[in-house]
Amino acid sequence: NAGVTQTPKFRVLKTGQSMTLLCAQDMNHEYMYWYRQDPGMGLRLIHYSVGEGTTAKGEVPDGYNVSRLKKQNFLLGLESAAPSQTSVYFCASSYPPGGLAEQYFGPGTRLTVT
Amino acid sequence: SQKIEQNSEALNIQEGKTATLTCNYTNYSPAYLQWYRQDPGRGPVFLLLIRENEKEKRKERLKVTFDTTLKQSLFHITASQPADSATYLCARSNTGTASKLTFGTGTRLQVTL
Repeated sequence: NAGVTQTPKFRVLKTGQSMTLLCAQDMNHEYMYWYRQDPGMGLRLIHYSVGEGTTAKGEVPDGYNVSRLKKQNFLLGLESAAPSQTSVYFCASSYPPGGLAEQYFGPGTRLTVT
Repeated sequence: SQKIEQNSEALNIQEGKTATLTCNYTNYSPAYLQWYRQDPGRGPVFLLLIRENEKEKRKERLKVTFDTTLKQSLFHITASQPADSATYLCARSNTGTASKLTFGTGTRLQVTL
């Protein structure tokens, strides 16, 4: 089992460009999460999903959109990138819900917006 | 709001000693506290979960305590090794199907020979 995988690993965008980050898990987990991690801020929840076809906002959702068309995939989109979105993005999955059991994290995507 | 506070200063400790990391929370007591390890350039890895009604949890050289009076969790690594050097994250959550984790900023542990 690969666990949680993320693509790409690194990306540099210019302000205003768009991109999609892909997260895939092969553990048949219902719950999936997108976080961003910035120095001194810790991991902050962007959006999450409690099952296929569902999404919900987390702590810092502005400027991001997500989709969960298939149970194993959770996509994070940036429609018009801003320098404030420079960060490391982590995807995670769990079953049961994320607070009740361990979350499995991907390796991260380092995004720089210039 | 629910907050988790960890000491942002790095903890330096000699090999073989016990490392103790602190996690303080504000407002009401969380139903669960989780601890994760994160190595540079990698995603967090789950270590331990402790419930509100549990005072202590152990796993090999790791021990976690939960003190609802002090609003604090302590994470101990006994007989520490250089391989234990990493950043350790504390996270809180409540019950429910939409249960989510709120993370602290983490404490970096450096174990030297």
